[in-house]
Amino acid sequence: DGGITQSPKYLFRKEGQNVTLSCEQNLNHDAMYWYRQDPGQGLRLIYYSQIVNDFQKGDIAEGYSVSREKKESFPLTVTSAQKNPTAFYLCASTRGSNYGYTFGSGTRLTVV
Amino acid sequence: QKEVEQNSGPLSVPEGAIASLNCTYSDRGSQSFFWYRQYSGKSPELIMSIYSNGDKEDGRFTAQLNKASQYVSLLIRDSQPSDSATYLCAVIRTGTASKLTFGTGTRLQVTL
Repeated sequence: DGGITQSPKYLFRKEGQNVTLSCEQNLNHDAMYWYRQDPGQGLRLIYYSQIVNDFQKGDIAEGYSVSREKKESFPLTVTSAQKNPTAFYLCASTRGSNYGYTFGSGTRLTVV
Repeated sequence: QKEVEQNSGPLSVPEGAIASLNCTYSDRGSQSFFWYRQYSGKSPELIMSIYSNGDKEDGRFTAQLNKASQYVSLLIRDSQPSDSATYLCAVIRTGTASKLTFGTGTRLQVTL
């Protein structure tokens, strides 16, 4: 079955450490997105990519980085510059603006 | 003014009743509108999309769009306890390609 796989499901980060969240899709979608969700909050866009080797900052890109070397993969790195990284991170993809997004199952990141 | 606004709830309805969830948006040129359901601790799943004024029905769900009033709603008929979740309204705004802007969600509780 086609879908989006996010890993790991839970991740613990120490202060000053960079961590990378994986997102892989086999839906053949061009566009991929990273969102962050805090308790009781909506989804906020971190980065997005509409095509391989190209990506744009979203509303809250500071402290995060991404790459898009393959159509199937869009990893997100949470750097030490992100001062409040504890959140639920969601990766999504779409084949176009009239189709909505398909979401992965999410990664819950906690700073320890 | 937020770009997409929803009442956070909780909205409590008895089993078998109609649940009415509402959403307003600020960008008059917004084109595509989506409703997602999110269970606690899980990722959002797409339940309805609507693009033109009027009603769109899918099983127990009806989406209603009024572009003149910048208003989109979701009706859930014969509400079931399994419908208890947070419902996210999402909009594709003018000139943003396929980027979705989400509301903060309305929590629905269906009581026995």
